[in-house]
Amino acid sequence: EVQLVESGGGLVNPGGSLRLSCAASGFTFSDTWMSWVRQAPGKGLEWVGRIMRESEGEKTDYGAPVKGRFTISRDDPKNMVYLQMNSLTIEDTAVYYCVTGVGLTDLDYWGQGSLVTVSS
Amino acid sequence: DIVMTQSPDSLAVSLGERATINCKSSQSVFYRPRNKNYLGWYQQKPGQPPKLLIYSATTRESGVPDRFSGSESGTDFTLTISSLQAEDVAVYYCHQYYTTPLTFGRGTRLEIK
Repeated sequence: EVQLVESGGGLVNPGGSLRLSCAASGFTFSDTWMSWVRQAPGKGLEWVGRIMRESEGEKTDYGAPVKGRFTISRDDPKNMVYLQMNSLTIEDTAVYYCVTGVGLTDLDYWGQGSLVTVSS
Repeated sequence: DIVMTQSPDSLAVSLGERATINCKSSQSVFYRPRNKNYLGWYQQKPGQPPKLLIYSATTRESGVPDRFSGSESGTDFTLTISSLQAEDVAVYYCHQYYTTPLTFGRGTRLEIK
């Protein structure tokens, strides 16, 4: 069974930083691309970015609102993916989902999400 | 960026009746090497993460009831629930995974009339 468990969310001041972690299990982690998707309170879904496999150089892509501020990384031996968020603004307040694609789409299985609140 | 235009924003349907949600992509999401549209549909219930219902525009994910179906015509896509059940109350999103940035429709809130 595919499981994705996010951690690291919480309250942070504007301009601050936070790192989210995602522990993956139930699939061959090193063979998959990993993504982050966020959802602001009461709003729709917004793709944050993704990281490809080590064999693909762990290439990353990001959505425009976070490019240059957020960084996705992975640790295949630990089956972990991370989202480092810097220079946070109020607009980054959202539930952040860790998502993986195992062959159907890029976003087949979702974690339960981790709430990040940016507020002074 | 590919814009996904979803309609309606909200929909109220009687139990047992048909519900139809539309989605239009601003450009083709057809991936020729696999002869598939890279279009998916998700269901999100309150307090839960999205759940994949349909991929490749028309293929039901394993375990999804057969009352859910997807159709395609060019850049127009439709999710149909043939006979609405109480547990289908949710927000539904279309999504293109053809190219980055991956994008979603704004969502359709489905309620019981």
